[in-house]
Amino acid sequence: GQNIDQPTEMTATEGAIVQINCTYQTSGFNGLFWYQQHAGEAPTFLSYNVLDGLEEKGRFSSFLSRSKGYSYLLLKELQMKDSASYLCAVNQAGTALIFGKGTTLSVSS
Amino acid sequence: GAVVSQHPSRVICKSGTSVKIECRSLDFQATTMFWYRQFPKKSLMLMATSNEGSKATYEQGVEKDKFLINHASLTLSTLTVTSAHPEDSSFYICSARPGTSYNSPLHFGNGTRLTVT
Repeated sequence: GQNIDQPTEMTATEGAIVQINCTYQTSGFNGLFWYQQHAGEAPTFLSYNVLDGLEEKGRFSSFLSRSKGYSYLLLKELQMKDSASYLCAVNQAGTALIFGKGTTLSVSS
Repeated sequence: GAVVSQHPSRVICKSGTSVKIECRSLDFQATTMFWYRQFPKKSLMLMATSNEGSKATYEQGVEKDKFLINHASLTLSTLTVTSAHPEDSSFYICSARPGTSYNSPLHFGNGTRLTVT
């Protein structure tokens, strides 16, 4: 079986830092991806983790702990344009990605 | 960067008709493409894996006779929704990854908003 959990909604203010958590239980694991999706648009790739630890990419960082089945996406210096859905996805069997239900982030001024 | 093009972006059709959606990899070859479906405020659900030159692999619960997939070349996969009904109204998105490394991210087309009246 497979299960990927994320909070449904989060709110934050401009300039703040927000952490979006993702826990997963899958029958296989070949890496974890984070995507950003604005309403009505296709997802865009943010980050990828396959080994434990932190990957930093500008304002965005992603962390993975394989033993705990846990990842988080950290967004710093939040901007209004960061308001979107953030999708955690697991590469389970080496081919397609299995997505969590997504976290809708609302950034206010 | 890798570009996936999907057409049409929006389509409205009547119940009982069929709709074809095209997905092209513009600057890379894709032996495998993936079709997802997304309902409003829900996440992406994998429908099927499209394999160039062979039959598609469908996820559990997805009717293969209703959602016909053809992957005739290394750059084109099509999804045909046959005898569409209002419950088929959804956002359909295709994706592919360049190369053979599973470490590379999937790139998504811009999606097709299907409305069945």
